[in-house]
Amino acid sequence: TQLLEQSPQFLSIQEGENLTVYCNSSSVFSSLQWYRQEPGEGPVLLVTVVTGGEVKKLKRLTFQFGDARKDSSLHITAAQTGDTGLYLCAGEGTSGSRLTFGEGTQLTVNP
Amino acid sequence: GAVVSQHPSRVICKSGTSVKIECRSLDFQATTMFWYRQFPKKSLMLMATSNEGSKATYEQGVEKDKFLINHASLTLSTLTVTSAHPEDSSFYICSARGPNDQPQHFGDGTRLSIL
Repeated sequence: TQLLEQSPQFLSIQEGENLTVYCNSSSVFSSLQWYRQEPGEGPVLLVTVVTGGEVKKLKRLTFQFGDARKDSSLHITAAQTGDTGLYLCAGEGTSGSRLTFGEGTQLTVNP
Repeated sequence: GAVVSQHPSRVICKSGTSVKIECRSLDFQATTMFWYRQFPKKSLMLMATSNEGSKATYEQGVEKDKFLINHASLTLSTLTVTSAHPEDSSFYICSARGPNDQPQHFGDGTRLSIL
């Protein structure tokens, strides 16, 4: 069974601060996705990383996939109140298989 | 982009009734659909995986007779919570994936409240 450990579980910061969320596993993933979810809605895909060492940027969000494809990080620069939400990482063991979700990081950005 | 529609978005019903939740892929053929359950401020927990035209594969601990899944077409899967009880109250989310290792696309979820 593949497991993804996501940390921190809760994060409360002030607007303008930077933050990093981590997902770690002892298993190798063929790809890893990051989602953001608002209350009462389904997760929305932010990015998919597939290559070890890959770095993707989405405005103020930077996603990195570890060289060994066992871990990933999400870094947000100059957080805004609109970044508040539940961030989920999810790994795909083999291409086309089920997703293994991390426990989620509940981010609150205070004005 | 791909859209997955889930209906209803919210349902409140009495204990003992059965509730059906629909998941539709609107602009692609979903060869595989997934059903998840989510508790407040927690991650998604996979309940079952269904492939069109075949029986669903349930995760360990999920009662197949309690949570009936039907995936009769390439655009529709349904989850029926039979004889629902208050402990079945939760947020249920479906996702759909097309052929050729396409990513999963999620519905907006169904808030189920059993009184």
